[in-house]
Amino acid sequence: KAGVTQTPRYLIKTRGQQVTLSCSPISGHRSVSWYQQTPGQGLQFLFEYFSETQRNKGNFPGRFSGRQFSNSRSEMNVSTLELGDSALYLCASAVGGYTDTQYFGPGTRLTVL
Amino acid sequence: AQKVTQAQTEISVVEKEDVTLDCVYETRDTTYYLFWYKQPPSGELVFLIRRNSFDEQNEISGRYSWNFQKSTSSFNFTITASQVVDSAVYFCALSESGGTSYGKLTFGQGTILTVHP
Repeated sequence: KAGVTQTPRYLIKTRGQQVTLSCSPISGHRSVSWYQQTPGQGLQFLFEYFSETQRNKGNFPGRFSGRQFSNSRSEMNVSTLELGDSALYLCASAVGGYTDTQYFGPGTRLTVL
Repeated sequence: AQKVTQAQTEISVVEKEDVTLDCVYETRDTTYYLFWYKQPPSGELVFLIRRNSFDEQNEISGRYSWNFQKSTSSFNFTITASQVVDSAVYFCALSESGGTSYGKLTFGQGTILTVHP
C-alpha cells in the first residue's frame, strides 16, 4: 500500500500571501489530521477531517483552514501568511476511529519570508 | 488537559550501548492510547508502537522494548544495542477517548538521540 503523500514538499512564500497544501491518505483511510511542527512549539494539532467533515480543531487562528474531498484527500490553507507560520506541516491518515493509529506523510516545509 | 513530557532533550550514546527514552503523561481519561514515533532527518514521523490504557503488558520487538507503568504514568522506550541508524528524534504521544479527541495526538517535545559509531 502506498503511504501518505504530501505536496508540495517545499514552499517559499512571502508575508501576506496565502498557501494551499495537499495530502493524500493511505487507501481506505478516511481520517486526515494536520499538524504544525516548529522548533519552539513542537508538534501541534491543527485539525482533523473525516468523511468531508471537520471533527476536531486545535487552537490556531482562523487563518488556518482545511477541507476534505469525497476521495478523502485533504487540503489545508493558510491565508495572510506571517513569518511565524514557517514550519513543517505534517498530515497523517487513519482508518477513522478516534484512537486509530495515525500514519504520517513526509511533510511540507513552508518558509515565509 | 492532556500533557506529555519527555524530560530528556538530547541523548548521545556510542554504538551498542543500551538507551532508554523516558515519557511521562497526564490525562484525566481512564481510556487512552500511548504511542511512540521516530522522526529521522527526512522529517516523516514513523510509527513504532501503540498501547492502550488497559494493557500494561510490556512489549519487546527486536531491539526495541517498551515499559508501560500506569501507576507512575510512564511509557518508556528502550533500544538495546543501539546502532547509528537509530539516530533520530523520538516522540511520545497521547490520544484520549471521546469526541473532542478525534484525530488529535498530543506530543511530547521529543528526544534527540545520536548514536556515534
